[in-house]
Amino acid sequence: AQSVTQLDSQVPVFEEAPVELRCNYSSSVSVYLFWYVQYPNQGLQLLLKYLSGSTLVESINGFEAEFNKSQTSFHLRKPSVHISDTAEYFCAVSDAGNNRKLIWGLGTSLAVNP
Amino acid sequence: SQTIHQWPATLVQPVGSPLSLECTVEGTSNPNLYWYRQAAGRGLQLLFYSVGIGQISSEVPQNLSASRPQDRQFILSSKKLLLSDSGFYLCAWSVGSTAYEQYFGPGTRLTVT
Repeated sequence: AQSVTQLDSQVPVFEEAPVELRCNYSSSVSVYLFWYVQYPNQGLQLLLKYLSGSTLVESINGFEAEFNKSQTSFHLRKPSVHISDTAEYFCAVSDAGNNRKLIWGLGTSLAVNP
Repeated sequence: SQTIHQWPATLVQPVGSPLSLECTVEGTSNPNLYWYRQAAGRGLQLLFYSVGIGQISSEVPQNLSASRPQDRQFILSSKKLLLSDSGFYLCAWSVGSTAYEQYFGPGTRLTVT
């Protein structure tokens, strides 16, 4: 069965520093990949997605993620973080056995400090 | 544009009481609908999903049930709440038979006392 591993449960970083949140998935079959962001006491918001085409995808607020098929990874990066990026980040992968479902990582808590 | 509503936003209920959480989607037809639970400090747990009216798939055997009486309405219920039912409940929707992105509601914070 498909699984998703977010390698870091917490990532503390200083403002304006670069950050990478790591995500690995278990299956090498065709997948769709997603990153979501959750601010405290709110629902999840789609940050970016990979469905096909270019392996590098970008969000409107400066995040990017690269699909690496050989390493089965979809790491999220930002070259310079802001205080407002403090949130929980979730990686998700389509379930190859049931295309209507997503398989979720446990989340990474990003804390941006001044 | 599509909008998803959940209510109530917060709820405090005693152990043994019933529960009803409602989710409605606007601006789309025949959506796939999902109920997730998020316990404190933990990830998302899929509870139920539905691909159409009256069609419910249960992911985890538990104290909860779900119903879909209308195309864009999804209800989560319990006859008797347990302490372990406390958490943040999220409704989500997607379209089509392929797991493109899901869109989430604002959530309901349930505390069982």
